[in-house]
Amino acid sequence: NAGVTQTPKFQVLKTGQSMTLQCAQDMNHNSMYWYRQDPGMGLRLIYYSASEGTTDKGEVPNGYNVSRLNKREFSLRLESAAPSQTSVYFCASSEPLAGGQQQFFGPGTRLTVL
Amino acid sequence: AQRVTQPEKLLSVFKGAPVELKCNYSYSGSPELFWYVQYSRQRLQLLLRHISRESIKGFTADLNKGETSFHLKKPFAQEEDSAMYYCALKSAGGSYIPTFGRGTSLIVHP
Repeated sequence: NAGVTQTPKFQVLKTGQSMTLQCAQDMNHNSMYWYRQDPGMGLRLIYYSASEGTTDKGEVPNGYNVSRLNKREFSLRLESAAPSQTSVYFCASSEPLAGGQQQFFGPGTRLTVL
Repeated sequence: AQRVTQPEKLLSVFKGAPVELKCNYSYSGSPELFWYVQYSRQRLQLLLRHISRESIKGFTADLNKGETSFHLKKPFAQEEDSAMYYCALKSAGGSYIPTFGRGTSLIVHP
């Protein structure tokens, strides 16, 4: 089991460029998430998908779009990158477990927008 | 609205000293609380959750509804405990969409 995988690991973009961050999970989880992690700001939810075919905005959705391609894959797209989107992006998935629920995180994508 | 506050950005202790990472929450219902940890160059992972009432790697956390707190404690810190710690809250029922605090960086000096 690879768990949650993300590509790419690192990316440098120029302002205005677009890109898609890919995320896949092999745990058959229904719920998937995209977060950004910024120093002093913790983890902020960008978008989430409670199940295949559904997506909802999180706390900081502006400038991003998502696609839940199938149960395994959840991609995050930056249509026109801005320096304020320089961050580390984490994908996660979750499923109820006995005694509670937990999220499983990917290794992150470090994005720099110049 | 639910909110999680971790008042310390950085906590620095020496090996063998007790450590307490503070977490306060704001939520009107019955919350589910979690601690997640991110070691250097590793992915974020669940450390413990209040519902399990477990001790993981010597850490414990008790939910105090009166003080709306879920502080993480360890009696004797180890160097390998150095990491970023996030407290998270999920409202009872509904989808699993936790709210994370801003994190506390714990540094344990030798």
